[in-house]
Amino acid sequence: GDSVTQMEGPVTLSEEAFLTINCTYTATGYPSLFWYVQYPGEGLQLLLKATKADDKGSNKGFEATYRKETTSFHLEKGSVQVSDSAVYFCALNFAGGYNKLIFGAGTRLAVHP
Amino acid sequence: KAGVTQTPRYLIKTRGQQVTLSCSPISGHRSVSWYQQTPGQGLQFLFEYFSETQRNKGNFPGRFSGRQFSNSRSEMNVSTLELGDSALYLCASSYFGTGTNTDTQYFGPGTRLTVL
Repeated sequence: GDSVTQMEGPVTLSEEAFLTINCTYTATGYPSLFWYVQYPGEGLQLLLKATKADDKGSNKGFEATYRKETTSFHLEKGSVQVSDSAVYFCALNFAGGYNKLIFGAGTRLAVHP
Repeated sequence: KAGVTQTPRYLIKTRGQQVTLSCSPISGHRSVSWYQQTPGQGLQFLFEYFSETQRNKGNFPGRFSGRQFSNSRSEMNVSTLELGDSALYLCASSYFGTGTNTDTQYFGPGTRLTVL
C-alpha cells in the first residue's frame, strides 16, 4: 500500500544551522506531496506542497523538491531559528481522490540558541 | 477567511461513555476528513465526508462514526469509550471542484480527548 517514511528524530540543531529532514514515499500513481508542521498544543499547519515531479514547494525559507526518480521529498532550510522548533510531517494525497492523507511518523526538530 | 474550527478543544470522559466532537470547515470547503493522533500510532485517517456522504473510511472499529450536515459541518462520535481512545482528534477540510488545491487539506486545532 501507499506509505511515507521519514527520518527519525529528534533532530537537534543550533540556530542558523542547515536543516534537512528526509522523506521518501511509496505510492501507486502520482500523488501530491506535502509537509505539515505541528507546534506544541496545536493542530497541523500546511508548510508547503508539490503536485508533480520536479516541482519545488517553498514557504518561510523551507523548500522541498518532488523527486519522482528517487521517490523523495526532503525538507530543507538554510538557516533555522529557535521558532522553527516543532514536529514536521511529510504526507501524500491523491488529487481527485477521497482526501485521505497518508503521513510519515513525524520528525521532531529542536533548535537551540 | 476563518480557519477550521473544532469544539470542544478539551474533553475528559470515563470508560464506557460516548462522545461527540464537532468540526466547522473553512467556508466553501465541502470535504471534511477526520484523523486520530496518538504517540504510538501517529496520525491515522478515520473517515472523509463529502456532500453528507462518507466516501472513505479508515481501519477503525464501528464505535467510531461520523456524519456531515448540509452546511458541510461535521461531527464524529465515539461510543463505549476505551482508554486507548485517548488522543488528539483532528479535523481537516478541503475544497472540492476544479483547480489545483482540491488535494490540499487544512487542519483545525484539534480536540484533545482523555479517557479515564
